[in-house]
Amino acid sequence: QVQLQESGPGLVKPSETLSLTCAVSGGSVNHYYWGWIRQPPGKGLEWIGHIYYTGITNYNSSLESRVTISVDTSKNQLSLRLRSMTAADTAIYYCARWNEGMDHWGPGTLVTVSS
Amino acid sequence: EIVLTQSPGILSLSPGERATLSCRASQSVNNNYLVWYQQKPGQAPRRLIFRASIRAAGIPDRFSGSGSGTDFTLTIGRLEPEDSAVYYCQEHGSSSWTFGPGTKVEIK
Repeated sequence: QVQLQESGPGLVKPSETLSLTCAVSGGSVNHYYWGWIRQPPGKGLEWIGHIYYTGITNYNSSLESRVTISVDTSKNQLSLRLRSMTAADTAIYYCARWNEGMDHWGPGTLVTVSS
Repeated sequence: EIVLTQSPGILSLSPGERATLSCRASQSVNNNYLVWYQQKPGQAPRRLIFRASIRAAGIPDRFSGSGSGTDFTLTIGRLEPEDSAVYYCQEHGSSSWTFGPGTKVEIK
């Protein structure tokens, strides 16, 4: 059974860069798309972007200038970097595998932006 | 970029009743690439339906999806108490895989 686990800082200061990692176990990152999604507290889901295992990416146009998603096939993990964080970026961040929809999700990690 | 609108915002029904949730797209969704998810409080979303009408593995058959083009529907045939959740649609026929704002289903 594929399992995903997000990791990273729970607290980020305004203007700093968020770096999150998603470790994939029970399966390979190869031959799939992988995505990052976020959810502000009490609000809906926002697609951040996705990456194919070959490294091809696609980003939400509203975040494209600040976001980078990468994949490391040797470590079987993917990463998210989001620059110039503000309070509006406070959210639960999820990674997920794409297979005709996001079929496997990590539990999510809450990231709070505060000084 | 395709914008998805879901209605109603909140649906309050009794167990055994039928729930009909709507997802409308601002442009036609290519190949009916429309997914439905269920999210319960404190949990990650769960995929229910893909390609508008194909039920994902392990999903009870009371959940069904239909529609094409710009209008899609998720139907829960006979509501169970555990169906209380927020339901989201997502399109992936374009380069932006946007989500709808969600419909909250409350069980009376």
